[in-house]
Amino acid sequence: KAGVTQTPRYLIKTRGQQVTLSCSPISGHRSVSWYQQTPGQGLQFLFEYFSETQRNKGNFPGRFSGRQFSNSRSEMNVSTLELGDSALYLCASSLVGRDLEAFFGQGTRLTVV
Amino acid sequence: GNSVTQMEGPVTLSEEAFLTINCTYTATGYPSLFWYVQYPGEGLQLLLKATKADDKGSNKGFEATYRKETTSFHLEKGSVQVSDSAVYFCALIRGSQGNLIFGKGTKLSVKP
Repeated sequence: KAGVTQTPRYLIKTRGQQVTLSCSPISGHRSVSWYQQTPGQGLQFLFEYFSETQRNKGNFPGRFSGRQFSNSRSEMNVSTLELGDSALYLCASSLVGRDLEAFFGQGTRLTVV
Repeated sequence: GNSVTQMEGPVTLSEEAFLTINCTYTATGYPSLFWYVQYPGEGLQLLLKATKADDKGSNKGFEATYRKETTSFHLEKGSVQVSDSAVYFCALIRGSQGNLIFGKGTKLSVKP
């Protein structure tokens, strides 16, 4: 079956702009999580959505937001971009349950100039 | 709070050498433990996992045992290959609604 698909793969934005990233989970997966990966901070959890509801949120400013649609596809939005937002943004989907296993997409590489 | 600490890299080995990457964790209760691998330009792939104490996860020649008494989940492989060159992340998750908490990652380079 198809894996987790993230679009676009690469993005260059200017400071102050906003950006929307998309994630299509594996068919049947209802949980979608987003992570930010940077060389300095490593992998940090942004938020998790399940059945269109944000279930868990990391320690990021309100400029970072997301949503999930009825087909489980998810988008994340970053407003008023800062240079420090340059990162690889990874999306992961999973089934629910104690023995969950997260499947990651290839990520969107965002560069803010 | 919950955290994962793994050995600093980079680690450089010759082909067929033995690999150990140390990972220790801090968590209340009984987390599930994972090793993920990231190849250049790619996302993360689950390498192996263990969900309870004394479980051994294994895949592609890699192994790790969930040691509750030492709060550790060290990754081992008896004979590494050049194709194993990647960044390895140790991670934990608590409960069915928790998020993954990752270590900083260890870059492994295997030379022919």
